[in-house]
Amino acid sequence: SQTIHQWPATLVQPVGSPLSLECTVEGTSNPNLYWYRQAAGRGLQLLFYSVGIGQISSEVPQNLSASRPQDRQFILSSKKLLLSDSGFYLCAKSGGAYNEQFFGPGTRLTVL
Amino acid sequence: GENVEQHPSTLSVQEGDSAVIKCTYSDSASNYFPWYKQELGKRPQLIIDIRSNVGEKKDQRIAVTLNKTAKHFSLHITETQPEDSAVYFCAASGSGGSNYKLTFGKGTLLTVNP
Repeated sequence: SQTIHQWPATLVQPVGSPLSLECTVEGTSNPNLYWYRQAAGRGLQLLFYSVGIGQISSEVPQNLSASRPQDRQFILSSKKLLLSDSGFYLCAKSGGAYNEQFFGPGTRLTVL
Repeated sequence: GENVEQHPSTLSVQEGDSAVIKCTYSDSASNYFPWYKQELGKRPQLIIDIRSNVGEKKDQRIAVTLNKTAKHFSLHITETQPEDSAVYFCAASGSGGSNYKLTFGKGTLLTVNP
């Protein structure tokens, strides 16, 4: 199964408020998990990736953080949101024999 | 690290024509090259991929070619239809210890006019 769940689907938050986005995946155990951000009309920016529980690599320094408390759970957080954090946040997974990467449905975040 | 360039950024074709999107990559050790289609407001969907041990792969109206010597790969869509309109992203895998990471091109907005 390539099923990936993300919630919430949409979110409107004020500047300076905290953030928690959750992603859970089904299928093979020990998947690689990823968080991407996509600004309106732009490309895919890799934010974090994880190859196992508690293992997080950051691609872009910023006010976001990620955690992987369980094998199939990946969380994106912020203590204080900035206007520039607005965007479409996509969780992705890869793994298995061919290591293809599949995306979740995304969370559309608007920071006002 | 890997760098992927994608051209053109926008492409407009008439229904029934062919469309070609080209990408180049920098890391000669990259060995996996997927293509994604993203419709407006939706997630990117994997539509076809190719690995470095083959030069061409076809799936119905879409095909991908790979030239490892020149470090470029292309997406070909034949007999385009309005539902092919979307943003298309190419990507390349990293090498060595980061071979699970994808580096994406900036995308091509394809418009198929009826």
